[in-house]
Amino acid sequence: GIQVEQSPPDLILQEGANSTLRCNFSDSVNNLQWFHQNPWGQLINLFYIPSGTKQNGRLSATTVATERYSLLYISSSQTTDSGVYFCAVEAGGYQKVTFGTGTKLQVIP
Amino acid sequence: KAGVTQTPRYLIKTRGQQVTLSCSPISGHRSVSWYQQTPGQGLQFLFEYFSETQRNKGNFPGRFSGRQFSNSRSEMNVSTLELGDSALYLCASSLYGQSNTEAFFGQGTRLTVV
Repeated sequence: GIQVEQSPPDLILQEGANSTLRCNFSDSVNNLQWFHQNPWGQLINLFYIPSGTKQNGRLSATTVATERYSLLYISSSQTTDSGVYFCAVEAGGYQKVTFGTGTKLQVIP
Repeated sequence: KAGVTQTPRYLIKTRGQQVTLSCSPISGHRSVSWYQQTPGQGLQFLFEYFSETQRNKGNFPGRFSGRQFSNSRSEMNVSTLELGDSALYLCASSLYGQSNTEAFFGQGTRLTVV
């Protein structure tokens, strides 16, 4: 099956700093989403981005499908950005989604 | 527009018992997928239902089963519970499936098996 790797696994930032999270995948994908998991476990949608670039406030994402990676940019980080960030991909059209291992982000005041 | 609703939020069960979890998708969404999240294995796909039919399943034993009703609500059942089944169970709702439409997750059901 498809392999999905995220880097870095852990990240500690000072409030106000910028960061880039990376998601590499081993095969062509039909679908890619970025999620933020809050401390209570819920996955919050950030981006639905099988290809191209999108921006939403301080967050933006780029997926380069031909090179099999996606990037999530967080600018001017805030303590509320803390949590785990996951990318999730679907390949093959079989509705089976594979999640990456996540990046645990801690933003300190 | 109401989001994805999972019930119950928390459950404590004893080894050997069975459990049923429920997921109500966003109105109009026809696909429901289930995931198990554990510290050791991460987020793993259990199965996906669309229009009352299971379209795919992950690598879980037959003790894990599910179904979907005509109103798109879905249930998953785990029989003969084991300690290792302790996990956060998440369901995702999407219009036509996660191959080509955006998925939205519920808050999850945290199951503890003692």
